[in-house]
Amino acid sequence: EADIYQTPRYLVIGTGKKITLECSQTMGHDKMYWYQQDPGMELHLIHYSYGVNSTEKGDLSSESTVSRIRTEHFPLTLESARPSHTSQYLCASSRSSSANYGYTFGSGTRLTVV
Amino acid sequence: GENVEQHPSTLSVQEGDSAVIKCTYSDSASNYFPWYKQELGKGPQLIIDIRSNVGEKKDQRIAVTLNKTAKHFSLHITETQPEDSAVYFCAASINTGGFKTIFGAGTRLFVKA
Repeated sequence: EADIYQTPRYLVIGTGKKITLECSQTMGHDKMYWYQQDPGMELHLIHYSYGVNSTEKGDLSSESTVSRIRTEHFPLTLESARPSHTSQYLCASSRSSSANYGYTFGSGTRLTVV
Repeated sequence: GENVEQHPSTLSVQEGDSAVIKCTYSDSASNYFPWYKQELGKGPQLIIDIRSNVGEKKDQRIAVTLNKTAKHFSLHITETQPEDSAVYFCAASINTGGFKTIFGAGTRLFVKA
């Protein structure tokens, strides 16, 4: 049973459109992440947040932006979509603690920009 | 920075055989090593993890071993079943003030019936 929800599951849009990918979790996790997954399977961190009003860029350069106004919500926005943004986007969260814990991933949004 | 190498990239086994996936990491400060299974059309799901103070952990048909000296860890799946077919990711995590997790590139496992 998913405790982290991503919408939409699939999205096909035209070049130049502004889009927002939604991610919400009901577990009260402070840490949230966005990953881009390429066809070769690899996961690339594009944004992360350690709590409300905290956002950081990840290892992979991305033209997207994120916000974290509420603990449970971590949307990702593309101001002007391009074909190079076509990919699978995965949202994840993890609990806060002095120790590391694993991630809970959403089912992903598969974005196609035409 | 931390780097995680995962092998093989593709693995095909006969149903009932064992499957082993190996990962190496570069930063000796890494202290948490989760494994994820990603089925088609879904996000990765945590299936087992191990911390640096433990050498082995088992959960039914899956087990993970950790060799801190050699900086490598492995996933072992015994008595494989067709439903084990998926992509598996290893990861290494380090506490740098925040927590940084580096994923391996993934292994596509096929279990032939």
